Formats: sequence, C-alpha cells, structure tokens
Amino acid sequence: KQEVTQIPAALSVPEGENLVLNCSFTDSAIYNLQWFRQDPGKGLTSLLLIQSSQREQTSGRLNASLDKSSGRSTLYIAASQPGDSATYLCAAETSGSRLTFGEGTQLTVNP
Amino acid sequence: EAQVTQNPRYLITVTGKKLTVTCSQNMNHEYMSWYRQDPGLGLRQIYYSMNVEVTDKGDVPEGYKVSRKEKRNFPLILESPSPNQTSLYFCASSPFGINYGYTFGSGTRLTVV
Repeated sequence: KQEVTQIPAALSVPEGENLVLNCSFTDSAIYNLQWFRQDPGKGLTSLLLIQSSQREQTSGRLNASLDKSSGRSTLYIAASQPGDSATYLCAAETSGSRLTFGEGTQLTVNP
Repeated sequence: EAQVTQNPRYLITVTGKKLTVTCSQNMNHEYMSWYRQDPGLGLRQIYYSMNVEVTDKGDVPEGYKVSRKEKRNFPLILESPSPNQTSLYFCASSPFGINYGYTFGSGTRLTVV
C-alpha cells in the first residue's frame, strides 16, 4: 500500500526566502506526483503535476522535481511571499486513478 | 466557469439521521471521487467512480454510499451517520485517464453529534 510522507509538517520563513518542501512515497510504481495548495476553509488547488517520465515541472516561482527511484519529490518556492502562506499537499497517483496524499506542510511566510 | 460544486458547505446533524452531500461538476469529466480529511490522517479516499453506473470503494468506504446515475453528479450518502464521520469532505473530478489532474470542490464540513 502506498504511503506518502511530507517533511516538515510546518515551516515559518521570512518573506523573500527560497524554500524547499519535501515529499516521499514508498511505492515507486506511480503514474505521477501532484502538488496541491490548500487555504484554510477552502478546497485544494492544483499547482503542478509531474508525470512519471518527467523529472521536473515549473510554474512561475514554483518548481517541482521527481525522483521515482528514490521515492522523492520536492517543491521549490522562490522568493516567498506572504500570499504563499497555505498548506501544501503532495499526492501520488497509482493505477485506478487512486490518489494517496501526504499530510501536508503548513507554510507561513512572515512579512 | 469550470468547477466542482459541493453542497452544503457546513452541516451539523445528529447520530442516525440520514444525509446526502451533493457534488456536481460542469466539465464533462468521467472520473469523480470523494475524500475525507482528518487531522493527523490527511486526505483519504472514500469512493470513486470511473463512469456512469460504475463505482468502487476507496480506502475508507465503511458507513458511506454513493451513486452515479448521471455523469455530472456524484452524491455521498450517509445512511446512519455516527460521530466518527465528523470530518471535512471533498469531492474531486478528472477527465478519464491518468495524468490529467484533478479539480476539487470547496469542501463540506460535517459535524455529527
């Protein structure tokens, strides 16, 4: 059974700092790895999707990498802003369109 | 606007009183799914549906029912809610097939007393 772990559980940084969020998964037989953002009281917003054949994806200040062999993905946020404060979730997709989520990293960016 | 709509957003109910949480998508997606989110446990899949009249159990299906009579709707039914079903529920949809990404609803916060 797939298990997804995210480290750290919480992170507080000053505005402008570059930061890395980590995601690890136990079963490397994934179709893709997705990163989501969740704001308090809101749903999940899809940020980046990395297919199993890809190594990384970029969107604006966000860059996500995937290393299937080691069971790891990282989300890099450049020049963080207070508006980036949210919980970030990673999810591994396996056969049958099954998503297994990590518990998330709660990010606070201080002005 | 392409979206997944859940209703209600908030619900407080009593143990044993049947309830339905509705989910509707306007993107003609084949795949729909329900998740619950609990502190310390993350998001866990309850049920999913690959197409109309096709549903299957996720990781935590006990105490829940679903139906998929139309492509756009995927209601979650709690026939006899219990306090351990107090949670934040999300519906999601995706075009059929892997690697197409998911659209999530805004969530339904359910409290069973």
